[in-house]
Amino acid sequence: DGGITQSPKYLFRKEGQNVTLSCEQNLNHDAMYWYRQDPGQGLRLIYYSQIVNDFQKGDIAEGYSVSREKKESFPLTVTSAQKNPTAFYLCASSPRGLHYGYTFGSGTRLTVV
Amino acid sequence: GIQVEQSPPDLILQEGANSTLRCNFSDSVNNLQWFHQNPWGQLINLFYIPSGTKQNGRLSATTVATERYSLLYISSSQTTDSGVYFCAVWSPSGSYRANNLFFGTGTRLTVIP
Repeated sequence: DGGITQSPKYLFRKEGQNVTLSCEQNLNHDAMYWYRQDPGQGLRLIYYSQIVNDFQKGDIAEGYSVSREKKESFPLTVTSAQKNPTAFYLCASSPRGLHYGYTFGSGTRLTVV
Repeated sequence: GIQVEQSPPDLILQEGANSTLRCNFSDSVNNLQWFHQNPWGQLINLFYIPSGTKQNGRLSATTVATERYSLLYISSSQTTDSGVYFCAVWSPSGSYRANNLFFGTGTRLTVIP
């Protein structure tokens, strides 16, 4: 079955550490996205990529970095510069150029300890 | 950027009751989608409905684009309907040229047996 796989499901980070969240899709979608969700809030866009080797900042990119070396993969690194990283992170993908067909992964819950 | 407001923020229903969730948006949109986030965090697309009315089982949605609102109707609610319902829009007047979505803050629905 096609879909998006995010790992790990839960992640604990110490202060000052960088961590990388994995997102893999086998839907042959060109576009991929990373969203952050805080309790009681909607989703806010961190980064998006429309095509391999290209990505753009969203609303809240500071303290995060991404890469898009393969169509299937869009990992997100939460750096030590992100002052409040505890949140629920969701990865999504969609066919390029379409305004529908979004598929979401099951999310990674990151906690700073 | 475009503003997306959802009401009510919280809703508690007895099983079997009907409900209406509302989404108002501040600008013209080319894309409006309704999502359901289950208690485990998984987001599922319910409707792609930039205008008109659609029905899928006990759920239906109506978007009146000229008046900038959309409604999600849930009939004969079940406990499995619990979760958060998000409205998300894409607008050509948004900050990005990409096909990314702007999310409202959601309506949290609790259906009690």
